[in-house]
Amino acid sequence: EIVLTQSPGTLSLSPGERATLSCRASQSVSSSYLAWYQQKPGQAPRLLIYGASSRATDIPDRFSGSGSGTDFTLTISRLEPEDFAVYYCQHYGSSSYSFGQGTKLEIK
Amino acid sequence: EVQLLESGGGLVQPGGSLRLSCAASGFTFSSYAMTWVRQAPGKGLDWVSRISGSGDTTNSAESVKGRFTISRDNSKNTLYLQMNSLRVEDTAVYYCARNRGDNRVELQHWGQGTLVTVSS
Repeated sequence: EIVLTQSPGTLSLSPGERATLSCRASQSVSSSYLAWYQQKPGQAPRLLIYGASSRATDIPDRFSGSGSGTDFTLTISRLEPEDFAVYYCQHYGSSSYSFGQGTKLEIK
Repeated sequence: EVQLLESGGGLVQPGGSLRLSCAASGFTFSSYAMTWVRQAPGKGLDWVSRISGSGDTTNSAESVKGRFTISRDNSKNTLYLQMNSLRVEDTAVYYCARNRGDNRVELQHWGQGTLVTVSS
C-alpha cells in the first residue's frame, strides 16, 4: 500500500505570498493518478489538480501542480483570502485510493 | 449543473446496518464511475469504495471489505452504499463523488455529505 505524506502539517502565510505544499509517496507512483483537493470548513472537497499538473475546470491559474516519481508539489503563486483551507493529495493505484493526511494553510 | 445529494445517514448502534443513497442529476449517470469517500470528525479523507459506470467493476478499501457494498441503479441515477456490521470507527461524514470519467480516478464533483454516527 502506498502511503502519501504531506508537509508541512500547517503552513502560516499572508495573502499575496507564495505557498508550496509537498506530497511524498512511499514508493514511485504514476503522475497520471496524482490529484490535489481543497477543502474549506463545513464544505466538501474540491478538485484542483489532476494528473499531477493539470488544472481542473474553473480553477484559477495561480494554482499549479508539479512533480513525478515520489515527490509532488502544489504551488499557489499569490495567496488570496479564499485560499486558506486544508489541502489533500490523492493517489490511485492497485485498485485503491489513498489520501495524504492534509496540509492546513492558515492566515499568518 | 451536476448535483449529488446524499441521504440515509443517521445514528445506528454498533453491529447495525444503514444504506446510503446518492441521487445524481445534471449528467449522464451511467457514463461515469462513482466513489464513496468518508471523513471522520476532525480527520482527513478516507476512500471507501468505487464503482464503474456500468456497475460491473467495484473496489473497496480493506477496512470495509466484507461489510460495505457499493452498487448503483442507472435507471434511477442513484448510487448506494450498503453498510453492515457497523463499528464505532465507521462514524464519519460520507461523501459521494463523481469521477471525472468512467476510466478516470480523480473526483471531480462531490455531494455535501451525510453523517453516519455509530454509537451505543
